[in-house]
Amino acid sequence: GAVVSQHPSWVICKSGTSVKIECRSLDFQATTMFWYRQFPKQSLMLMATSNEGSKATYEQGVEKDKFLINHASLTLSTLTVTSAHPEDSSFYICSARVRGRNTEAFFGQGTRLTVV
Amino acid sequence: DAKTTQPNSMESNEEEPVHLPCNHSTISGTDYIHWYRQLPSQGPEYVIHGLTSNVNNRMASLAIAEDRKSSTLILHRATLRDAAVYYCILVQGAQKLVFGQGTRLTINP
Repeated sequence: GAVVSQHPSWVICKSGTSVKIECRSLDFQATTMFWYRQFPKQSLMLMATSNEGSKATYEQGVEKDKFLINHASLTLSTLTVTSAHPEDSSFYICSARVRGRNTEAFFGQGTRLTVV
Repeated sequence: DAKTTQPNSMESNEEEPVHLPCNHSTISGTDYIHWYRQLPSQGPEYVIHGLTSNVNNRMASLAIAEDRKSSTLILHRATLRDAAVYYCILVQGAQKLVFGQGTRLTINP
């Protein structure tokens, strides 16, 4: 089946620095990718929809200047957490769906971000 | 987004069938019913999806009520590796997936 790969799997960064997370669709083209974050013991919260060649669509309450999303190609979307703070520590997950209706979503393995 | 309701947790025994319920009384005619599961510290994994008819695949079966206001995910013979959080999600076309709280399934050896 289709595969979505995230990198890195985990990252530790200092407060105030920026961190970039990559999401790749390995064997299909993804015009749209989705970014989620998940806190311990909670469900996934949709942050934004990443559209290839255009601006991302952010969910209400998500700061677009803090969570920069770039979707420059049909197989790669990146999420950059800018000026990270300890409260940004979370599990970030990307997802993509094969183009077409009624298809399943594929998820990356997630990135554990810890800001110290 | 149409909402789904699932029990917070369920428990079953290894090698027994498991029936995970989901209520979606406000489902629209174009909503597909998707099921995903998430193991600890991993991204979610697709399980199955359907529209009106019951569906079977190698992982599970999906039974959809005739009025489509509820559905049941059936794991025919649970193993310890099936312990996960199971999410029932209504999806329109190629739209985003919005996750609810899901059901935490525990499998006893």
